[in-house]
This record gives sequence, structure tokens and C-alpha cells, in this order.
Amino acid sequence: AQSVTQLGSHVSVSEGALVLLRCNYSSSVPPYLFWYVQYPNQGLQLLLKYTSAATLVKGINGFEAEFKKSETSFHLTKPSAHMSDAAEYFCAVSQRSWGKLQFGAGTQVVVTP
Amino acid sequence: DTEVTQTPKHLVMGMTNKKSLKCEQHMGHRAMYWYKQKAKKPPELMFVYSYEKLSINESVPSRFSPECPNSSLLNLHLHALQPEDSALYLCASSPSGGRSRRGLGEQYFGPGTRLTVT
Repeated sequence: AQSVTQLGSHVSVSEGALVLLRCNYSSSVPPYLFWYVQYPNQGLQLLLKYTSAATLVKGINGFEAEFKKSETSFHLTKPSAHMSDAAEYFCAVSQRSWGKLQFGAGTQVVVTP
Repeated sequence: DTEVTQTPKHLVMGMTNKKSLKCEQHMGHRAMYWYKQKAKKPPELMFVYSYEKLSINESVPSRFSPECPNSSLLNLHLHALQPEDSALYLCASSPSGGRSRRGLGEQYFGPGTRLTVT
């Protein structure tokens, strides 16, 4: 069974600083990869999804993620944090185009002034 | 438009009540999902419908009963729930349902129903 590991359950960043959230997956075949964001008392919003067309994926709100097959990683970054980025972030993988999404444990991002 | 709607937003029910959660999408998606999310945890899959047929049941207790009346609607019927069933219930849909290769596996989530069982 595949698994998803997010390093760090909490990340604190200063406003304007780099945001880096780490995600590693265990799969011999590159799966379908995603990052979701969840604001308090809301559902999950799709930030970005991996396509085989490029290893660097751009998403909404200035976020991007880089797929590295050799490291089985799909880390999420944003060059400059904004207060509105404070939320829970989930990395997720799927082995097919539909069906079960396997989520990481999530990373809570706190942005300080 | 990538909107999934859920009603109600909040629900409080006693352990002997019967209630239903509703989910709707008009994106022509072929698969629909129910997830349960406890505080500070990732969502846990409960059920998956593909082309209006139940495809995955993650060993969910029978007090939860899903229904897919048509390709746009998904219901979750609740009966004799326990306090530990209190959680955020999320509905999601995805373009592909298995017969086609639409989309890249992404799922679109609704805002959720906050359920409290007393």
C-alpha cells in the first residue's frame, strides 16, 4: 500500500519569507500527486496537481511544487508568505485517475507578522 | 465552475435520530465521494460512487448508508449514530469514474457538514 509522509506537523514562517512544505510518497510508479489547502471550518481546496508534462507545477495563490522522481518527493513552495496563507496543507496521492486519495497527516502553517 | 455544494452546513442530532446529508455537483463528474474528517486529521474515505454505482465501501458501519439518486446527487443517510461519529463530513467529486481518463485524479471538495451527535 502506498503511503504519504509530510515532514513537520507545524511550520511557522514570517510574512514575506519562503514557505516550504515537504511531501514524500512511497510508490514504484509515479502516482497522481496533489496539494490541497484547508482553511478553518472549510472544505479542501485543490492547490495544484502534478501532470507529467513538467516537473515544476504551478498552482493557485502563488504556490508551486516540484516533482522529483529520484527522491519520490513533491515539495510545495511559495517564495513569499502572506498572512492569508495560514491554513492546513495536505499532500495527497492516488494510483489511478479516480478512487481513493491517500492523504498525508497534514502541515499546519502559521504566518507571523 | 468547480463547485460542490453540501447541505446542511451544521447538523446536531441525537443518537436515535435519522437524518440525511446532501451533496450536489453540476460539473458532469462521474465519481462522487464521502469522507469523514476528525479535528486535526486528514480526511478518511468512506464511500465512492462511480457512474452512480457504489464502487468502494471502506468498511463503514451500517449506520451510515450512502445513496446516489442520479449523476449529480449524493446522499448520506444517518441512523443511530454514536457521539464518536461527530466530525466534518466532506463530499467530493472527480471528473473520471474509471471508464474514461478525464482529469488527472483530482477531486473537488464541498465545504462540508459539521455533524454533532449528542
